Amino acid sequence: QKEVEQNSGPLSVPEGAIASLNCTYSDRGSQSFFWYRQYSGKSPELIMFIYSNGDKEDGRFTAQLNKASQYVSLLIRDSQPSDSATYLCAVRTSYDKVIFGPGTSLSVIP
Amino acid sequence: EAGVAQSPRYKIIEKRQSVAFWCNPISGHATLYWYQQILGQGPKLLIQFQNNGVVDDSQLPKDRFSAERLKGVDSTLKIQPAKLEDSAVYLCASSLANAGYQETQYFGPGTRLLVL
Repeated sequence: QKEVEQNSGPLSVPEGAIASLNCTYSDRGSQSFFWYRQYSGKSPELIMFIYSNGDKEDGRFTAQLNKASQYVSLLIRDSQPSDSATYLCAVRTSYDKVIFGPGTSLSVIP
Repeated sequence: EAGVAQSPRYKIIEKRQSVAFWCNPISGHATLYWYQQILGQGPKLLIQFQNNGVVDDSQLPKDRFSAERLKGVDSTLKIQPAKLEDSAVYLCASSLANAGYQETQYFGPGTRLLVL
């Protein structure tokens, strides 16, 4: 089992819809969870960080964490074409190492 | 606040040649990371420094890759000799040390390497 897995893409949603990106992790003791956005040809940019169970909202973005299920998700409300990018999930494990998932490519169709 | 700086931005070399990449982290960030990102994959950690000491280099191919951070600020990653499979983007990131689980990494623009 891979340490961090993400839903395989590409994911396509119409403009204005909710995009849902999922991530699962294998280390039950993982401490904190990050979502990065990476535009084609660019470096990853941090958009959300969560470490407590539940939801964390920042503008159109909501991160959801369920440690019991070892699952973290990112919801993007009112998706815009500018949200088209690859979204990387990263997990800080119990042994203090940050592991990145393979990423999910999101395409928002105007 | 200036971000993480990297150079060069692009490099094309032939296999068996050597290449070096430079990174200057955000001021005050004691932790520095080098990642390799192959097209279509997530970043893979090569080496992590805290100040000028190595924290993790378990995935660094030490027969050909080396890295140093002599004064605890900027860092150099070298590949010698390069192989075709080293074609990738090399990302440098930095973070504040001792932030525990809240420690977040900030990435530089990356160096895109093509080995022919």
